[in-house]
Amino acid sequence: KNEVEQSPQNLTAQEGEFITINCSYSVGISALHWLQQHPGGGIVSLFMLSSGKKKHGRLIATINIQEKHSSLHITASHPRDSAVYICAAEETSGSRLTFGEGTQLTVNP
Amino acid sequence: EPEVTQTPSHQVTQMGQEVILRCVPISNHLYFYWYRQILGQKVEFLVSFYNNEISEKSEIFDDQFSVERPDGSNFTLKIRSTKLEDSAMYFCASSRFMGTEAFFGQGTRLTVV
Repeated sequence: KNEVEQSPQNLTAQEGEFITINCSYSVGISALHWLQQHPGGGIVSLFMLSSGKKKHGRLIATINIQEKHSSLHITASHPRDSAVYICAAEETSGSRLTFGEGTQLTVNP
Repeated sequence: EPEVTQTPSHQVTQMGQEVILRCVPISNHLYFYWYRQILGQKVEFLVSFYNNEISEKSEIFDDQFSVERPDGSNFTLKIRSTKLEDSAMYFCASSRFMGTEAFFGQGTRLTVV
């Protein structure tokens, strides 16, 4: 059974700061997902990656397969980035996602 | 942009009643999932569905639960004899192929009273 751990649990930043959220998992995976959950509860997929690095706008996701670790970075953070960020591990292709606890990010103006 | 839609957004039901949560996955997607999130807890996998049958289910998904694709567009989760602890946000998701990005619906908040 895969254990997915995220840190920090809570993160408060000032607008413009560079944000890093970390995720580690315990067993080999086929892909690592980063998701965003807004206060209303809806979940939006940000990235799905199995190696290297992906970038979308101000968001960057990296993964180190050997170390079983992934990071989500937000450059030039903005109050609208405030949300819960969740990483989820997919152990074999197309199988269930195992979710982390989530990181509550608050960006103050 | 195509999206996964779920109805209703909020359902309140009496303990012991049956509820059906509905989802319309993205039209050309082949894999469908149900997840739930109890308030304050992490999201948990319930079941995945492909080619009109369950491909994987979690230990949570016992005989109280069932899924169905009654027609070409809907994907439903039925919860029989609801219990207080079934109160949660239930998310439907779909993906085009195995191992591709999953798209989530906005969720149905189920409250059992």
